[in-house]
Amino acid sequence: QKEVEQDPGPLSVPEGAIVSLNCTYSNSAFQYFMWYRQYSRKGPELLMYTYSSGNKEDGRFTAQVDKSSKYISLFIRDSQPSDSATYLCAMSVGIQGAQKLVFGQGTRLTINP
Amino acid sequence: SAVISQKPSRDICQRGTSLTIQCQVDSQVTMMFWYRQQPGQSLTLIATANQGSEATYESGFVIDKFPISRPNLTFSTLTVSNMSPEDSSIYLCSVPSGGDIQYFGAGTRLSVL
Repeated sequence: QKEVEQDPGPLSVPEGAIVSLNCTYSNSAFQYFMWYRQYSRKGPELLMYTYSSGNKEDGRFTAQVDKSSKYISLFIRDSQPSDSATYLCAMSVGIQGAQKLVFGQGTRLTINP
Repeated sequence: SAVISQKPSRDICQRGTSLTIQCQVDSQVTMMFWYRQQPGQSLTLIATANQGSEATYESGFVIDKFPISRPNLTFSTLTVSNMSPEDSSIYLCSVPSGGDIQYFGAGTRLSVL
């Protein structure tokens, strides 16, 4: 069993839809929970990060963490064609200042105009 | 966030040769990380490079195959040695900023023939 599980998709939705992306994890030692967006032929771009259970909102994006269920989500409201990318969840573990990231498989998302 | 530059951005190499990838950061950082992203897969940590000490390699990665240098606080290199087609991947460096949140370079896209 992988430490972080993420549905690889692909996921295709119409413009304006609400998108829900999810990851589950098994390691209780994970500390930070991050979402990266990766456009084709580009490096991962940090979208959001959270530390504790609950919701964190940034514009059209909301990150949600439920540590009791070991489950994190990213919601995208009013989705745009420019949101089409691969979304990677990542979780950090280790001592402060030297934490390594464990990534999910990534979900390929397409927003259709 | 830090600005990270990687060189080369892409290369096509022959089997049995070696390629050195450079990672330059615009600020001083203690830790730098090297990841591999195989085609259609997520990111896997290769090693952690701490300035002034030997790199720490993850399970499945060895120094003879992926030697790393870290001569100062803004620069690191990863060499992919004695390459085979299975080494065809995107290689990414990352640095922590603002705690343990990691930011990535654009990556080096390597194809081995």
